[in-house]
Amino acid sequence: TQLLEQSPQFLSIQEGENLTVYCNSSSVFSSLQWYRQEPGEGPVLLVTVVTGGEVKKLKRLTFQFGDARKDSSLHITAAQPGDTGLYLCAGGDSGGSNYKLTFGKGTLLTVNP
Amino acid sequence: NAGVTQTPKFRVLKTGQSMTLLCAQDMNHEYMYWYRQDPGMGLRLIHYSVGEGTTAKGEVPDGYNVSRLKKQNFLLGLESAAPSQTSVYFCASTYTGELFFGEGSRLTVL
Repeated sequence: TQLLEQSPQFLSIQEGENLTVYCNSSSVFSSLQWYRQEPGEGPVLLVTVVTGGEVKKLKRLTFQFGDARKDSSLHITAAQPGDTGLYLCAGGDSGGSNYKLTFGKGTLLTVNP
Repeated sequence: NAGVTQTPKFRVLKTGQSMTLLCAQDMNHEYMYWYRQDPGMGLRLIHYSVGEGTTAKGEVPDGYNVSRLKKQNFLLGLESAAPSQTSVYFCASTYTGELFFGEGSRLTVL
């Protein structure tokens, strides 16, 4: 069973601060996805990274996939209250299937105005 | 454009009752999934389907059954509900591996 550990579990910061959320595993994943979930809604995909060492930027969000494809990080610059939510990482099956994902338990981010 | 629609959104059951959650997607996706989300446990895969007429067990399948008679629909059934099945259930679908989720169905079993 592939496991994904996310840290920290909870994070409360002030508007304008920077933060990094981590997603780690002892297993290799074929891809790594990040989702954001707001209260009362389903998760929404933010990004997919598939190549070891890959870095993707989405406005103030920077995503990185580790060289060994076992870990990933999400960095948010100048956080805003609208960034508040549960951030979930999900790894694609190392057997090659991207269609069966393993989810981490999530990082609950609160950005205070 | 509805995407993934789950019904009902809320339901309260008594222990031992049965019910079915319906998931419908209008994106012609091959793959569909049922997850449950519990505090501190993240999203756990219950059952999934790789196409019409096929189903497979996920991480926590016990106490649940599923059917995919039509490509656009994926049904999750509880034959005899237990308090441990109190949770928020999410349906998702995909064609490329990137999941589209419904808004969730909150089930309480008393």
